[in-house]
Formats: sequence, C-alpha cells, structure tokens
Amino acid sequence: EAGVTQFPSHSVIEKGQTVTLRCDPISGHDNLYWYRRVMGKEIKFLLHFVKESKQDESGMPNNRFLAERTGGTYSTLKVQPAELEDSGVYFCASSQGIGGSYEQYFGPGTRLTVT
Amino acid sequence: AQKITQTQPGMFVQEKEAVTLDCTYDTSDPSYGLFWYKQPSSGEMIFLIYQGSYDQQNATEGRYSLNFQKARKSANLVISASQLGDSAMYFCAMREVGTYKYIFGTGTRLKVLA
Repeated sequence: EAGVTQFPSHSVIEKGQTVTLRCDPISGHDNLYWYRRVMGKEIKFLLHFVKESKQDESGMPNNRFLAERTGGTYSTLKVQPAELEDSGVYFCASSQGIGGSYEQYFGPGTRLTVT
Repeated sequence: AQKITQTQPGMFVQEKEAVTLDCTYDTSDPSYGLFWYKQPSSGEMIFLIYQGSYDQQNATEGRYSLNFQKARKSANLVISASQLGDSAMYFCAMREVGTYKYIFGTGTRLKVLA
C-alpha cells in the first residue's frame, strides 16, 4: 500500500509568486490534514478535510492560503502571493478515522523556500 | 490551552545504549492521546507509538516504550538498544479525544554514535 505522497519535495520561489503544493493521501482515507513547520518551531495544524469538505481551517494563517480537495481524493494547497514568512516544511497527513488511537500517516513534506 | 514541550533540542547516545527523550504536555481534558513520531533525514514522519490517557499500562512497540506519568503530565519515549538508524528527529504530539488536530512539540534531534 502506497503511503502519503507529496509533490514537489522542494520548491524555491520568489516573494510575490504563487506556489501550489499537492498531496495524495493513502487510498481509502477520507481524512486529510495539512500541517506546517516553520524552521525551529513546532509543527502546526493548518486544516482538515473529510472527503471534499473542509471540516476545520482554523489553522490557516491568512487568506493567501487556499486548500482544495476536489473529488475527495488528492488535495492542493496554494499560496498566493507567497511571503518570506511562508517558508517552511508543509506536511500532509491522512487517516482512516478520527480520534481514539487512529494515527495520522504523514507524507514526506514539501520544503518551501520563499526568497 | 493544550501544549507539548520537548526541552531537549538535541541528544547523543552511544550505539546499543538506551536513551530517553522527554515530553511534557498540558491539557485540561481528561481524555487525550499521546503520539511519538520519528522523522529521519529523508523527511517522512513515521508513527512510532501511541498512549491513551486511560490506558493502564505503558505502551510498548518493539524497542520503543513510553514512560507515561499522568500525574506529572509526562510521556517520555524510551528507545532501548539504540541503533545507528535511530538517528533522526523525534516529535511528541497530543490529540484530545474527539478532535483530530495534533499538537506537536518542537522536536528532539537524536544522534546515535558508533
């Protein structure tokens, strides 16, 4: 069974440009999450999808970030326009259920550098 | 507010020895789960072990065990017989029952020495 995959693995863009990150969850996992780790700090929750619906986007930093999950399969996270403080590693995770001992399976992350 | 604290930014351990990675947490909810993840240099986050707040026994998974001290609100990860492949970043995380968000600590970078 394939794990959570993310594309690209690295992205270097200039301030003001647009970047789109993609996440493919484990097949059959309805729950998809985005997290972000800014250098040296803790990993922080951004948002949660159940199938194609956003359940919680309380962690999204601002309206420059837009996440979608059309068809309830893969998800994209677009940053437009990117700012320097957006640099960090963006993790996607998926889970079969929520709560209890359901662990979230994480992808390898996309390292975003905004210059 | 919920919080996870990992006070050790970096740790060294000799191969074949045991090492304890510290994690303390803060929550007012009596129901929660604690998780440890390993992040090797390749970047992926690997689930290691889970402890529920009502579990009577400390969780164990192979060489990993969780030293859960509820009164002290600590959930330290113990790795026995360290191997070179254990060198990685380790994250402690908490999730309150009924929610789905993980609260993470800042991580501890472990280096196993040959």
